Amino acid sequence: NAGVTQTPKFRVLKTGQSMTLLCAQDMNHEYMYWYRQDPGMGLRLIHYSVGEGTTAKGEVPDGYNVSRLKKQNFLLGLESAAPSQTSVYFCASSARGGRDTQYFGPGTRLTVL
Amino acid sequence: GEDVEQSLFLSVREGDSSVINCTYTDSSSTYLYWYKQEPGAGLQLLTYIFSNMDMKQDQRLTVLLNKKDKHLSLRIADTQTGDSAIYFCAERGIGANNLFFGTGTRLTVIP
Repeated sequence: NAGVTQTPKFRVLKTGQSMTLLCAQDMNHEYMYWYRQDPGMGLRLIHYSVGEGTTAKGEVPDGYNVSRLKKQNFLLGLESAAPSQTSVYFCASSARGGRDTQYFGPGTRLTVL
Repeated sequence: GEDVEQSLFLSVREGDSSVINCTYTDSSSTYLYWYKQEPGAGLQLLTYIFSNMDMKQDQRLTVLLNKKDKHLSLRIADTQTGDSAIYFCAERGIGANNLFFGTGTRLTVIP
């Protein structure tokens, strides 16, 4: 069991470029989440999914899009990167919502110049 | 969104107890969590407490909840150098799908 994996681990973009972050989980979890972590702040939810083919907005969705075409994968897209999107991005998954434990990936460090 | 606050730094000597504090604002919180983040790694769930409980103990970890004051604490007994990490408090409201995290407390254990 790999748990939750994220690719890439690091990425540097120029303003205006686009990229996709991939999250994969092998625990057959229904729920998946994308968070961003900024210095001096806790993790903030960007988007989440409660099942294959579904997505929903979190606290800070602007500038991001997501897709959940397969149950095991949750993609986070930046169409036109901005310096304000420099952050560490964490993916998580849980069996269901509610009290089910969220399992986190190792993170992707993104720098937008 | 909900506010979850923590102090940013804590230093303790190896072998002492550590107490990490957290306050939250959402009176409808159902579950409160403590996560640990080691350098370069994702978050690892340490423990959680349901809002109708006052205390939960799990080996060296003790969680205390004062629901009236909306105050949560994590006590680590016999703190070791391997406990050095960032500790996040998080809460989930009724019917919420996501967690609201505090800023994290960086615990440094001095040998």
